[in-house]
Amino acid sequence: DVKVTQSSRYLVKRTGEKVFLECVQDMDHENMFWYRQDPGLGLRLIYFSYDVKMKEKGDIPEGYSVSREKKERFSLILESASTNQTSMYLCASRPLVEGRNEQFFGPGTRLTVL
Amino acid sequence: AQKVTQAQTEISVVEKEDVTLDCVYETRDTTYYLFWYKQPPSGELVFLIRRNSFDEQNEISGRYSWNFQKSTSSFNFTITASQVVDSAVYFCALSEARNYGQNFVFGPGTRLSVLP
Repeated sequence: DVKVTQSSRYLVKRTGEKVFLECVQDMDHENMFWYRQDPGLGLRLIYFSYDVKMKEKGDIPEGYSVSREKKERFSLILESASTNQTSMYLCASRPLVEGRNEQFFGPGTRLTVL
Repeated sequence: AQKVTQAQTEISVVEKEDVTLDCVYETRDTTYYLFWYKQPPSGELVFLIRRNSFDEQNEISGRYSWNFQKSTSSFNFTITASQVVDSAVYFCALSEARNYGQNFVFGPGTRLSVLP
């Protein structure tokens, strides 16, 4: 089974702090994704990475950066956390196989910024 | 542009009732993929099914079935004899095949409550 893990289920940070959200997948998937999920807005793509050290902006990259130094790990960084970044953050991965492009999700990190 | 609509925001049924969750999509591509995911209260999105645009066969998996109709751009999901454990938010999603289908578009989700 595909396993995507995220470093924390719940996180509370203060405004202005630098926040790291870590995601690890164990299936050698090429692609990894970070989404945020907010009530009424659904899932929105922040960044994705199609290979090590490669990244692409999603729909809402402002205020975020990412890092992918190893294939299995994709980190989301909030350089200076703000209250409007309080949200549920979901990481996903998928293999680069034509016709099998479903994404597999981690359990999510619920971040609260005070 | 791609778009996924799930018109039902919330549905409540009593256990053992059948329930259908609607999904309508828009895309200009001829090759694309459709998906359903389940998000239980724990928060993790669980992959349920993938269907590609060339395969209009309906699929059944236990109490779950999916009806894909290109003529109406719909990919509906039916749960037969619903159970309390089916209570979750269900998302329909669309991915176009170009760029290996990296970009997903999710619908807004339908919250299903199955009452005992």
